[in-house]
Amino acid sequence: DTGVSQDPRHKITKRGQNVTFRCDPISEHNRLYWYRQTLGQGPEFLTYFQNEAQLEKSRLLSDRFSAERPKGSFSTLEIQRTEQGDSAMYLCASSPRGGAEEETQYFGPGTRLLVL
Amino acid sequence: LAKTTQPISMDSYEGQEVNITCSHNNIATNDYITWYQQFPSQGPRFIIQGYKTKVTNEVASLFIPADRKSSTLSLPRVSLSDTAVYYCLVGGESGSARQLTFGSGTQLTVLP
Repeated sequence: DTGVSQDPRHKITKRGQNVTFRCDPISEHNRLYWYRQTLGQGPEFLTYFQNEAQLEKSRLLSDRFSAERPKGSFSTLEIQRTEQGDSAMYLCASSPRGGAEEETQYFGPGTRLLVL
Repeated sequence: LAKTTQPISMDSYEGQEVNITCSHNNIATNDYITWYQQFPSQGPRFIIQGYKTKVTNEVASLFIPADRKSSTLSLPRVSLSDTAVYYCLVGGESGSARQLTFGSGTQLTVLP
């Protein structure tokens, strides 16, 4: 399978703990995105990488959230001191760099986080 | 980023054609229109993208009028497995990033 993969698929943690999620984009896709989705809502943009550079962050991304893409391939999203409000599905997407037609974002299966 | 408006929900029966219309009055000149499908506990899946007139692929058609202020996703002969949430998005380059702005989508329920 050459799609976007995310690990883990599910994570249950206690409030105050740190969690880290991993995303492996489609090979040779330059752009990588993180989104968050809560029940009944569409995904909300969190942050975006062009290769290893983090070029944009949403205001939703509080100081407790940090994302990295050290070698321009896989990415990690860490949440420190988790809160119950962080419970959501965290989605990763990737896209190739090119014309508008190539801006289609391909999503992974997501990591569902539950903070108790 | 252009906002979109689409119906919250729609019901259909197996074998029927389903048309979901999306309004995007503030679409910019360089914006494309993209539709995604999402099943529960899965990431959104790209269905179709277009700029103007009509686009057709193996799963759907997208109709875009000349003023581009709306678009209609057409799903021919739906089956039970087409039950999902469908999102309409518009966007293009925004500075150095291209954020996808999802609304609440349209929950399509296909009945037997």
